[in-house]
Amino acid sequence: GAGVSQSPRYKVAKRGQDVALRCDPISGHVSLFWYQQALGQGPEFLTYFQNEAQLDKSGLPSDRFFAERPEGSVSTLKIQRTQQEDSAVYLCASSLRTSGGKDTQYFGPGTRLTVL
Amino acid sequence: AQRVTQPEKLLSVFKGAPVELKCNYSYSGSPELFWYVQYSRQRLQLLLRHISRESIKGFTADLNKGETSFHLKKPFAQEEDSAMYYCALNVDFGNEKLTFGTGTRLTIIP
Repeated sequence: GAGVSQSPRYKVAKRGQDVALRCDPISGHVSLFWYQQALGQGPEFLTYFQNEAQLDKSGLPSDRFFAERPEGSVSTLKIQRTQQEDSAVYLCASSLRTSGGKDTQYFGPGTRLTVL
Repeated sequence: AQRVTQPEKLLSVFKGAPVELKCNYSYSGSPELFWYVQYSRQRLQLLLRHISRESIKGFTADLNKGETSFHLKKPFAQEEDSAMYYCALNVDFGNEKLTFGTGTRLTIIP
């Protein structure tokens, strides 16, 4: 089937606006990850879900960042009162999480957020 | 905290020459190491992982715990190898979050 999809692909926001970024994981994938990739840097972990449970949010840079996955499928990353330093590509990845296995993370194309 | 270092931001190699992309990590335990690749206008994808001990597209990588390195190698570079390469590690087997390096852009010169 289709891979991980993300929308929108590009988002321009004025400083102070709220934004919502969507991730559709591969159907049946249990684990879902959000990463932030600033220009010239590698992806940095933000948060991790297993089904609907948010098991790790240690990478969220501030309380302006909030993520949810209410039905264990689609996830939304919300950023309130955006700042210029939030400009980055936001990547979503999902994995199957077979019991006892180490599963491959499949990445989406990313959402490029530019805060003016 | 764990860390991944890729010392070369840019690497240019002639077609047919050997390639080595360096990756060093800092972690006192036994991490799992990965190489991810991003070709032009494509999404990030797994190239190989050390526990698989596979050769993918002619690339291999050996985990050297003594030197805390996981360098990516290919004996004969091909033009289609031009891409961005990221080394990554996972240290928490209950949480598969990845720590990435800053990446190396490999350019193969025809």
